Amino acid sequence: LAKTTQPISMDSYEGQEVNITCSHNNIATNDYITWYQQFPSQGPRFIIQGYKTKVTNEVASLFIPADRKSSTLSLPRVSLSDTAVYYCLVGDIASGGSYIPTFGRGTSLIVHP
Amino acid sequence: NAGVMQNPRHLVRRRGQEARLRCSPMKGHSHVYWYRQLPEEGLKFMVYLQKENIIDESGMPKERFSAEFPKEGPSILRIQQVVRGDSAAYFCASSPGAANSPLHFGNGTRLTVT
Repeated sequence: LAKTTQPISMDSYEGQEVNITCSHNNIATNDYITWYQQFPSQGPRFIIQGYKTKVTNEVASLFIPADRKSSTLSLPRVSLSDTAVYYCLVGDIASGGSYIPTFGRGTSLIVHP
Repeated sequence: NAGVMQNPRHLVRRRGQEARLRCSPMKGHSHVYWYRQLPEEGLKFMVYLQKENIIDESGMPKERFSAEFPKEGPSILRIQQVVRGDSAAYFCASSPGAANSPLHFGNGTRLTVT
């Protein structure tokens, strides 16, 4: 089971770009990389998912190098409302009982005015 | 399309009572996961169910805890004889189970044991 490592916390200011890197050295061939965002007193919310290279949606971008041993979530021009905990997960949910989405401590992002 | 619905949102129980937490997955989703979260900590996996079957319960305490996902109706997480250490937020997530499909979470049930 691929284990992920990400910074415990990060600080930023409004309007800046924030990059959160996740290490997953033993990612398997079939594994996808998925990021979630969690606000206090709410359940996690899916942000973005990718397998290789770059994925972009209306919320964020996800950069994955060729070796796939890490990935970087990029949040452009953050605002105060982006203050949340961000989780990086690797795996393939279609593996059925052999894969359980596992959440670590995540990265606590605080955006300052 | 309603999201994952959990109820109650808040539940207070005295030590020794039973707690029943309900989760209605998104329409079309047949896979349900339950997680527990303590303050300032990440989500800890408890149990993974598909309709009428428990697939993986490796994260669930052997005693007092049980879960079900019947053919009809919501998934239920049941905690018997609650203790103070059971106080936590319990989140349910659902998925259609297809490749690459992310989890969709409810907003949790916050259980307080007094």
